[in-house]
Amino acid sequence: RKEVEQDPGPFNVPEGATVAFNCTYSNSASQSFFWYRQDCRKEPKLLMSVYSSGNEDGRFTAQLNRASQYISLLIRDSKLSDSATYLCVVIRMDSSYKLIFGSGTRLLVRP
Amino acid sequence: NAGVTQTPKFRVLKTGQSMTLLCAQDMNHEYMYWYRQDPGMGLRLIHYSVGEGTTAKGEVPDGYNVSRLKKQNFLLGLESAAPSQTSVYFCASTPGPLNEQFFGPGTRLTVL
Repeated sequence: RKEVEQDPGPFNVPEGATVAFNCTYSNSASQSFFWYRQDCRKEPKLLMSVYSSGNEDGRFTAQLNRASQYISLLIRDSKLSDSATYLCVVIRMDSSYKLIFGSGTRLLVRP
Repeated sequence: NAGVTQTPKFRVLKTGQSMTLLCAQDMNHEYMYWYRQDPGMGLRLIHYSVGEGTTAKGEVPDGYNVSRLKKQNFLLGLESAAPSQTSVYFCASTPGPLNEQFFGPGTRLTVL
């Protein structure tokens, strides 16, 4: 089992829809969590950090559920420009330093 | 402020050839990373560095070597390229181990 898992999708939604992705992690010692966006053949770019209390940035909301060991990303009022792959990142530092990217969830927003 | 830059952007090698990929950052970040990304897969960590003069192995270090002689530069070497090393290579930097990462634009490497 992978330490960080994402549904690869694609999620195909109409403009204006609300869509949510989850990312599960298996190591409870994980400390730091992020969502990145990656456009085709481009570098990943930070979308949001994920805090225990949850955080919102415009149409985007990120949440962390430590009990069930997953993070989520909610996108409201989807735009065509939201079409991309969304990568979660989980980081921990205990006996070793582990930084793991999920394999990504692809989102397609259609007109 | 260029951020993170990578050279070259594209390269084609024959099996057995060697090459070095250069990553440079101008943000005075301590941590630097090399990843590879293959189709349908996330980024996999090859090697990383926690400061000038240090290197450490990541998830997939075999076949690669790295050096961090200067804080702003992180070099990735392939001594004897193999077709399995055909991939897109991304470099990243961050001020600390738990912070967000800033990525370079990537190097597309094909090994024939």
